[in-house]
Amino acid sequence: GAVVSQHPSRVICKSGTSVKIECRSLDFQATTMFWYRQFPKKSLMLMATSNEGSKATYEQGVEKDKFLINHASLTLSTLTVTSAHPEDSSFYICSARTAFNYGYTFGSGTRLTVV
Amino acid sequence: AQSVTQLGSHVSVSEGALVLLRCNYSSSVPPYLFWYVQYPNQGLQLLLKYTSAATLVKGINGFEAEFKKSETSFHLTKPSAHMSDAAEYFCAVMELEKLTFGTGTRLTIIP
Repeated sequence: GAVVSQHPSRVICKSGTSVKIECRSLDFQATTMFWYRQFPKKSLMLMATSNEGSKATYEQGVEKDKFLINHASLTLSTLTVTSAHPEDSSFYICSARTAFNYGYTFGSGTRLTVV
Repeated sequence: AQSVTQLGSHVSVSEGALVLLRCNYSSSVPPYLFWYVQYPNQGLQLLLKYTSAATLVKGINGFEAEFKKSETSFHLTKPSAHMSDAAEYFCAVMELEKLTFGTGTRLTIIP
């Protein structure tokens, strides 16, 4: 079945530094990937839609200069949190749209803690 | 825009009892609906989905959901709860390839 690998699973960084999170589709090509943010005990909030070879589409209220998304290949999308601050601490999850039957496969998530 | 509402942020059931998690949708067109499960510090796993085929959808781990247009509902059920079912459950609706999630229901199983 379709597998999405997300790394790292946990990361702690200092305030002001940047962190990159990778999302890879292992056994299929994902032209579209999605990035979500999940606050503690809350639902998933869609941050942006990542399309291979083009600029990402950000949801309203999401700072595109803070959350840089790159989808350079059909199997890799990255989310870079730039100049991270403690309020950026959260659980970030990626998802890839599979080619058939309205399938979405999710990565295992990344717990970001900014200290 | 389409949306889903999950009634009950927390549900507790005894092991072996019926599980019922509620989801109502708001959509002007036939929706595509999903149920996902999330274990702590993990991503989401698809339980089942409704894509305008059979109204009763069977999923993994013994879960099923029935699409009821008259009630705009897509409730998730399981006849007999197991301890391993303890998790967070999300209902979602798809619109223009994007998934919009409900607020989630935390299911606790009482031994």
